[in-house]
Amino acid sequence: DGGITQSPKYLFRKEGQNVTLSCEQNLNHDAMYWYRQDPGQGLRLIYYSQIVNDFQKGDIAEGYSVSREKKESFPLTVTSAQKNPTAFYLCASSIGTSGRRGEQYFGPGTRLTVT
Amino acid sequence: ELKVEQNPLFLSMQEGKNYTIYCNYSTTSDRLYWYRQDPGKSLESLFVLLSNGAVKQEGRLMASLDTKARLSTLHITAAVHDLSATYFCAVDATGTASKLTFGTGTRLQVTL
Repeated sequence: DGGITQSPKYLFRKEGQNVTLSCEQNLNHDAMYWYRQDPGQGLRLIYYSQIVNDFQKGDIAEGYSVSREKKESFPLTVTSAQKNPTAFYLCASSIGTSGRRGEQYFGPGTRLTVT
Repeated sequence: ELKVEQNPLFLSMQEGKNYTIYCNYSTTSDRLYWYRQDPGKSLESLFVLLSNGAVKQEGRLMASLDTKARLSTLHITAAVHDLSATYFCAVDATGTASKLTFGTGTRLQVTL
């Protein structure tokens, strides 16, 4: 089955620790994205990557880092510099970035709790 | 800065009734997406609207886009309980990067 997987589903960390969220896709999509969702709100873009070995900051990149060494994988690291990291994190991918190819498909999400 | 506003934010409606959710955005764009989210779950793509006047329909849902008015609507016909969810519109104003700005969502509750 083709799709997007995120792991783990739930993650608990102590304040001050860095944590890496996994996102893998086997859809052969070029573009990948990370979003953050807070309770009762819409999604906000953290980082996106249109091609391997390249990525750009989204609207709320501070305190986060990413890498895109393989087409299938786009891990997100939440660093200790992120002031309010507790949230639901969603990864998405799209075939490309123009027209219908820009339609984004979402993974199941990782719920991160930092105490 | 692109702003995307949805209204209403919460909608409670009876089964069998019709209603419309509105999505207004603040800058020129002809790429708008509608998503559905069930509680605690991820987002499911519903519609992709890529030109002025675009209309898409799937079952009891119909979406349209008016780029001149910077407005998209999601119309619900004869609502059923299974449509209860949160609906998001998202706009890409970049034209090249598929960089989406989401509305805050409309939580739809369909009562029996």
